[in-house]
Amino acid sequence: DAGVTQSPTHLIKTRGQQVTLRCSPKSGHDTVSWYQQALGQGPQFIFQYYEEEERQRGNFPDRFSGHQFPNYSSELNVNALLLGDSALYLCASSLGGGAGQYFGPGTRLTVT
Amino acid sequence: DAKTTQPNSMESNEEEPVHLPCNHSTISGTDYIHWYRQLPSQGPEYVIHGLTSNVNNRMASLAIAEDRKSSTLILHRATLRDAAVYYCILRVKSNSGYALNFGKGTSLLVTP
Repeated sequence: DAGVTQSPTHLIKTRGQQVTLRCSPKSGHDTVSWYQQALGQGPQFIFQYYEEEERQRGNFPDRFSGHQFPNYSSELNVNALLLGDSALYLCASSLGGGAGQYFGPGTRLTVT
Repeated sequence: DAKTTQPNSMESNEEEPVHLPCNHSTISGTDYIHWYRQLPSQGPEYVIHGLTSNVNNRMASLAIAEDRKSSTLILHRATLRDAAVYYCILRVKSNSGYALNFGKGTSLLVTP
């Protein structure tokens, strides 16, 4: 049983560009949450998707957007990249957004 | 949102018990206490959660104070593989799902 998978593993982008990160949830899970983790900090909640809708959102600007597909996989899009967007982006899946969230290994984004 | 306070770091000897404290004095009656850990270069991993009663699982035990203003994660016999950042999180429920609000956590060092 594959756990949560994310792609790509690493990514380097230039300031002002746009980026798309991808996540496949653990088998049987229907809810996907995205987190941003800056170096030395704990993960910060970006948003959560359930039934292809954004269900809850953290304190992130509209440059951060997402999508969930019918197979429950999800994308995180970031427009107009800033140097401060450099971070580890984590995807977590759960069933109905419930108790335990299963995290993927993350995508390391570097903005230069 | 209710917040948690944890020591920045703790150290333990291998094969000895470890007690990781967490203060959450503003916890509300419906907030579950969750613990996650993050090993180096990995996404966070669910450890345990509870509401009012003490909880045990194969990984750890969770002791919750009677007034729920504090809790303690107990690793019964620390191993080198337990070296990680441990996060104490109050799972905040809204009408539209759950978000995990991570703090900075406690960095646990285990020495042989």
